[in-house]
Amino acid sequence: AQSVTQPDIHITVSEGASLELRCNYSYGATPYLFWYVQSPGQGLQLLLKYFSGDTLVQGIKGFEAEFKRSQSSFNLRKPSVHWSDAAEYFCAVERNQGGKLIFGQGTELSVKP
Amino acid sequence: GAGVSQSPSNKVTEKGKDVELRCDPISGHTALYWYRQSLGQGLEFLIYFQGNSAPDKSGLPSDRFSAERTGGSVSTLTIQRTQQEDSAVYLCASSGSGEETQYFGPGTRLLVL
Repeated sequence: AQSVTQPDIHITVSEGASLELRCNYSYGATPYLFWYVQSPGQGLQLLLKYFSGDTLVQGIKGFEAEFKRSQSSFNLRKPSVHWSDAAEYFCAVERNQGGKLIFGQGTELSVKP
Repeated sequence: GAGVSQSPSNKVTEKGKDVELRCDPISGHTALYWYRQSLGQGLEFLIYFQGNSAPDKSGLPSDRFSAERTGGSVSTLTIQRTQQEDSAVYLCASSGSGEETQYFGPGTRLLVL
């Protein structure tokens, strides 16, 4: 069965510091991979996605993620965090035939001044 | 509208009552999804509609839950005889034909007393 693991439930970083949020997936083939962000009381906003091709993908708000097949990982990175990045981040996978998203448990990001 | 809309934003109901939650997908999107977000279970898939195909109901937690999509557009999620464990945020998403990215609405926060 497909699954997604986000090992870090909560991360705190200082404003201006770099960020890496981890995501590992379990799937028989290369799935479609997504990162979403959710601010308090809001829905999910797509940050970036990977379907195929270049394994380093760029997203909105200065985020990027790298797909590593050998590690079954799709980690999210940002070189310099802003206070407005404080939110919950979800990694998700989808079968490449379409259908439901399988989400990780989420990582809550706090940013300290 | 420009995005996925959901109504009501918040719903408080008494245990045993029925509730209906509405989702208006992005115009022209053929696929519509319902997810549930709760503290204990994270983000869970409930049901998926794609065009005129039979819906994928594999995520519905019990027969108290049902959903329909009328005219290939608006969808209603119905929960009968609500229980306290049904308290959660119910998220709707839609995607276009041949597109794998799901766009989420703001959600309906359901509280069962």
